[in-house]
Amino acid sequence: EIVLTQSPGTLSLSPGERATLSCRASQSVSSSYLAWYQQKPGQAPRLLIYGASSRATGIPDRFSGSGSGTDFTLTISRLEPEDFAVYYCQQYGSKPRTFGQGTKVEIK
Amino acid sequence: EVQLVQSGAEVKKPGESLKISCKGSGYSFTSYWIGWVRQMPGKGLEWMGIIYPGDSDTRYSPSFQGQVTISADKSISTAYLQWSSLKASDTAMYYCASSGVYSRNWFDPWGQGTLVTVSS
Repeated sequence: EIVLTQSPGTLSLSPGERATLSCRASQSVSSSYLAWYQQKPGQAPRLLIYGASSRATGIPDRFSGSGSGTDFTLTISRLEPEDFAVYYCQQYGSKPRTFGQGTKVEIK
Repeated sequence: EVQLVQSGAEVKKPGESLKISCKGSGYSFTSYWIGWVRQMPGKGLEWMGIIYPGDSDTRYSPSFQGQVTISADKSISTAYLQWSSLKASDTAMYYCASSGVYSRNWFDPWGQGTLVTVSS
């Protein structure tokens, strides 16, 4: 099973700042089959990024994904008030599919 | 527009059985994989398994194999997650989500979630 480790656990930032979230895999993620999701309190997760770097439909371009192999990054270029949430990475290249434990982006 | 609507919250006692549902609309239900994800209180997301309603091909995470059953009724465009004997540790929010035409895929969109509470 591929274990995904996200860091940091919590990121305290102010609106307008840049957020950099890391997702490290215990083994190489084949063909960059990695997705990122955003979850706000009381809501279902929402897809942000698939294929490591492709934005989902309707996702603002301040969200970007990068990486390959075992190291992946989600970057939010300038935080908007609605971006404060929990973010999860997920690999879907190997069985079983797995999620990271999440990074909470909170208002500083 | 692909839409998934889940059944309402449930409160059950340990040992009881339960079946929750996820109804798809806005697409060809038999052509898209549907998955289930568990989120225990205050915790992260766990991938449980997926089903292809067209032929009921089902894949489980080893962590959930034998603990739950995933099924689908294509005549009413509905997928199910069921337990034969609930435990307190099954208390969680359960989400269904579409995996598109491939089993090896991301989840989008998601249902609104079904809260299952198991307590004596």
